[in-house]
Amino acid sequence: EDKVVQSPLSLVVHEGDTVTLNCSYEVTNFRSLLWYKQEKKAPTFLFMLTSSGIEKKSGRLSSILDKKELFSILNITATQTGDSAIYLCAVEVNAGKSTFGDGTTLTVKP
Amino acid sequence: ETGVTQSPTHLIKTRGQQVTLRCSSQSGHNTVSWYQQALGQGPQFIFQYYREEENGRGNFPPRFSGLQFPNYSSELNVNALELDDSALYLCASTRSTPGQLIYEQYFGPGTRLTVT
Repeated sequence: EDKVVQSPLSLVVHEGDTVTLNCSYEVTNFRSLLWYKQEKKAPTFLFMLTSSGIEKKSGRLSSILDKKELFSILNITATQTGDSAIYLCAVEVNAGKSTFGDGTTLTVKP
Repeated sequence: ETGVTQSPTHLIKTRGQQVTLRCSSQSGHNTVSWYQQALGQGPQFIFQYYREEENGRGNFPPRFSGLQFPNYSSELNVNALELDDSALYLCASTRSTPGQLIYEQYFGPGTRLTVT
């Protein structure tokens, strides 16, 4: 059975801190690994990773994939209160079919 | 805004009833997937439609069924509702091509279903 595990389950930091969120996976067919941010309803797409070792960056967020060790990390630098959300990691096993982890709840305090 | 829309936003139903949820895909996307997200959990894959045919199903009973229309919009139908069906239902659209190019998957805002 395909499995995606995220850690930690929750995290509380102060504004300006740097955080690292972890995602490990065991799947039968890997197409891509996706990171989403979920605040109220719909998960918002952050990154799609398909190749090992290539860092993707968007502002203060960055992510990298290790296909040998089967994990990915999401880094957020200089955190802001607006970064408070649930961060979801998913592995796409077929086009449009993804297995999700249960998310990391990040709380950024002023 | 992802270009994926869902209706209704909220819905309250009674156990045993039937419900239909709707999703309109992003323009140019031919594949739609439906997910169920219970409180405190990640989304769980229900099924996917590609070119109006079911193209993969997760661990959900047959009372969960769907349709995809020629304009790539989609419906999720749930019969004989149970209390545990209370969840956020998300649809997501993407492009699938014979060349296996990988495209991002974008989610709609979801429908919050409460079964009492």
